[in-house]
Amino acid sequence: EAQVTQNPRYLITVTGKKLTVTCSQNMNHEYMSWYRQDPGLGLRQIYYSMNVEVTDKGDVPEGYKVSRKEKRNFPLILESPSPNQTSLYFCASSSSPDSPLHFGNGTRLTVT
Amino acid sequence: DAKTTQPPSMDCAEGRAANLPCNHSTISGNEYVYWYRQIHSQGPQYIIHGLKNNETNEMASLIITEDRKSSTLILPHATLRDTAVYYCIVRVFYTGNQFYFGTGTSLTVIP
Repeated sequence: EAQVTQNPRYLITVTGKKLTVTCSQNMNHEYMSWYRQDPGLGLRQIYYSMNVEVTDKGDVPEGYKVSRKEKRNFPLILESPSPNQTSLYFCASSSSPDSPLHFGNGTRLTVT
Repeated sequence: DAKTTQPPSMDCAEGRAANLPCNHSTISGNEYVYWYRQIHSQGPQYIIHGLKNNETNEMASLIITEDRKSSTLILPHATLRDTAVYYCIVRVFYTGNQFYFGTGTSLTVIP
């Protein structure tokens, strides 16, 4: 089944403890991106990747890192999480920038 | 990418057509209109997209005005499972920085 898989689905952590949210797609898509969703603000793009080793900032990249060492994986790294990064995170992929996005089921992160 | 304006909420009776409007007055000639929906806190689901012609698929129809400054998503026979937040997005066909989702329209289908 074609899908975008995020892990974990839920994560509670403390301020400053590095964490990684994984994202994997099995559709051989070149394009991947990360979004965060907060009440009243909709979905905002954090980072995106056009292909392996090609990444760029979205609208809200501060406090996040990404890497794209292989096509299927696009992990989101929080080096020093803070409470304002408490949010619902979505990973998405598409075959090209102009194609519809396929989204994962989300990761709900709480930073205390 | 052009920004969009949608009503925050709408109701629709089950079995009736749901017409969801979107204003995108600053849209430029090469920007497509996309519609997605999000049920509860699941990942958004693609519905339909178009440039200037009206489009229809198995889920919905998209009507774009001639000046392209607004569009309407039509769910022809709304069901309870269509209750969701609907996002209207415009974006350039070839660009690296993808979709700006905004806050969408919360559609409630009433039995």
